[in-house]
Amino acid sequence: QKEVEQDPGPLSVPEGAIVSLNCTYSNSAFQYFMWYRQYSRKGPELLMYTYSSGNKEDGRFTAQVDKSSKYISLFIRDSQPSDSATYLCAMSGVAGGTSYGKLTFGQGTILTVHP
Amino acid sequence: ETGVTQTPRHLVMGMTNKKSLKCEQHLGHNAMYWYKQSAKKPLELMFVYNFKEQTENNSVPSRFSPECPNSSHLFLHLHTLQPEDSALYLCASSPTPRQIYGYTFGSGTRLTVV
Repeated sequence: QKEVEQDPGPLSVPEGAIVSLNCTYSNSAFQYFMWYRQYSRKGPELLMYTYSSGNKEDGRFTAQVDKSSKYISLFIRDSQPSDSATYLCAMSGVAGGTSYGKLTFGQGTILTVHP
Repeated sequence: ETGVTQTPRHLVMGMTNKKSLKCEQHLGHNAMYWYKQSAKKPLELMFVYNFKEQTENNSVPSRFSPECPNSSHLFLHLHTLQPEDSALYLCASSPTPRQIYGYTFGSGTRLTVV
């Protein structure tokens, strides 16, 4: 079983739709959760991050973490063509006890928002 | 120039060639990383450097040889690669290895082994 599972898609939605992207994980030690966005021919860029369970909102983006279900989500409201990219979830355990904060990534979901 | 810069952007090499990938960061970060991104697979951490010292080798074959002469530069030396090594190689940096929210990635080198 992979530590992090992410539906690779591809996901195609019309402009203005609400997009839901999800990851499940198996390692209960994960406490730090991130979403990266990767445009074609670019490296990933950090979009949002959350610690432990709960919601976090930033403009059109909302990140949710449900540690009891080991499930995280990223919602995009009023999606735009410029949101077309690959979205990667990433997570990490308790950084304080390790030599570095190792990130474990999902395989990414390819999203296309068409006008 | 700011951010993390990787060169070359594209590289095609034969299995008997020797080549090097270069990464340079202008962010004043002390930790640098090499990741491999293959189609339909998660990013795989290869190496971690902290203040020029290698702190992690994630069971990477010896045909990949990293070098970190200073905190701003990172190289990945390649020799006798296999076709399955074809992938996007991403360099990243962060202020320290513990600051997992502070990763900045380069645009990557698309490597094709023929």
